[in-house]
Amino acid sequence: GQNIDQPTEMTATEGAIVQINCTYQTSGFNGLFWYQQHAGEAPTFLSYNVLDGLEEKGRFSSFLSRSKGYSYLLLKELQMKDSASYLCAQMDSNYQLIWGAGTKLIIKP
Amino acid sequence: IAGITQAPTSQILAAGRRMTLRCTQDMRHNAMYWYRQDLGLGLRLIHYSNTAGTTGKGEVPDGYSVSRANTDDFPLTLASAVPSQTSVYFCASSEKSGDTGELFFGEGSRLTVL
Repeated sequence: GQNIDQPTEMTATEGAIVQINCTYQTSGFNGLFWYQQHAGEAPTFLSYNVLDGLEEKGRFSSFLSRSKGYSYLLLKELQMKDSASYLCAQMDSNYQLIWGAGTKLIIKP
Repeated sequence: IAGITQAPTSQILAAGRRMTLRCTQDMRHNAMYWYRQDLGLGLRLIHYSNTAGTTGKGEVPDGYSVSRANTDDFPLTLASAVPSQTSVYFCASSEKSGDTGELFFGEGSRLTVL
């Protein structure tokens, strides 16, 4: 089966930069999504990458390398409200999403 | 406010009971999905519907059934609940199946089976 790997938990300081990595199986790839999920809430869409390179959207950027099966989410100028889980998801050859378990990001003052 | 509404928000259920989780969207999206989310695991697809009148099985369909009589509603039924079905259930929709656009999620239904 397909495996999506991302760290379980990360800690960063308010105002700093953090990079959350995600690796996936390269076969049957139709794009890579990042979602944010605050505790007790629904996931919300952050980004979608299907071509190699960096997509920037305000304080958040997402990078994709299809040959390496690798993506990262970069969060700049961290704010306390960025404390959440970040979910990486691969769209497979059937256009279904395969989800990672999520990375819990803890922001400290 | 446009979006997806799920009910109930939370429920405690005795094993063996029948339970239906309701999901309604007002965005006229064609595709709808039911996921379960368990600690330490990614979201897992239970059932999906590409358009009204059609449904399909996801990764973990056993013990669950769905129907899609119209565009807006996509209820999930547990015919005879078991403790392993204790989870948070999310309904989601997208404009169309095979869509590389975003999924919109409901707020979730927390189900505890005792």
